[in-house]
Amino acid sequence: DIVMTQSPLSLPVTPGEPASIYCRSSQSLYSNGKNFLDWYLQKPGQSPQLLIYLGSNRASGVPDRFTGSGSGTDFTLRISRVEAEDVGVYYCMQAVQTPLTFGGGTRVEIK
Amino acid sequence: EVKLVESGGGLVQPGGSLKLSCAASGFAFSASAMHWVRQTSGTGLEWIARIRTRVNRYVTAYAASVEGRFTVSRDDSKNMVYLRMDSLRIEDTAVYYCIRQDFDVWGQGALVAVSS
Repeated sequence: DIVMTQSPLSLPVTPGEPASIYCRSSQSLYSNGKNFLDWYLQKPGQSPQLLIYLGSNRASGVPDRFTGSGSGTDFTLRISRVEAEDVGVYYCMQAVQTPLTFGGGTRVEIK
Repeated sequence: EVKLVESGGGLVQPGGSLKLSCAASGFAFSASAMHWVRQTSGTGLEWIARIRTRVNRYVTAYAASVEGRFTVSRDDSKNMVYLRMDSLRIEDTAVYYCIRQDFDVWGQGALVAVSS
């Protein structure tokens, strides 16, 4: 199975400041010209929601302050200016092979 | 509106069985593979099963932790996907989500508690 490792575990942020979350996979997620890496945000009391798919594509309705980058085994989710509504737990997930696997999550909270 | 609604969760004893249902609406269900993912407070998110479409012969895949105990199925005529769970263990206690193939639509989740 592909192991997904996220960092940091917890990220206190100041509104208006940037923030970055990292995700590393134990095997390359690059296949057929695409990186099969998604990012999700689970807000308190809600189901996870898709933010970024195939490494760098924003899902419908996702603000452009969210940017996904990386390739192969190392990926980054960057929030250019954190807003209060961005709090929650962020997860990366690989979809290059089954079993699909998730990172352990990064909890983003406002300072 | 694109929607997934799970039902059938509840409390069950170890060794028991339960069947979750997921009703889909607002999209071409028969053309979409469907997944089940569960979430526990201790282990985060865990993918557990996928079923493909009729064109792809309804091929299924399972996580090792549930292989042989859980069965995913679908009824395209009813826009429904199911998760039959047998030989339940305490560690199967979780919120279970059904999800559309691109992971862009999640249900609200169904709580399954396995306890004596």
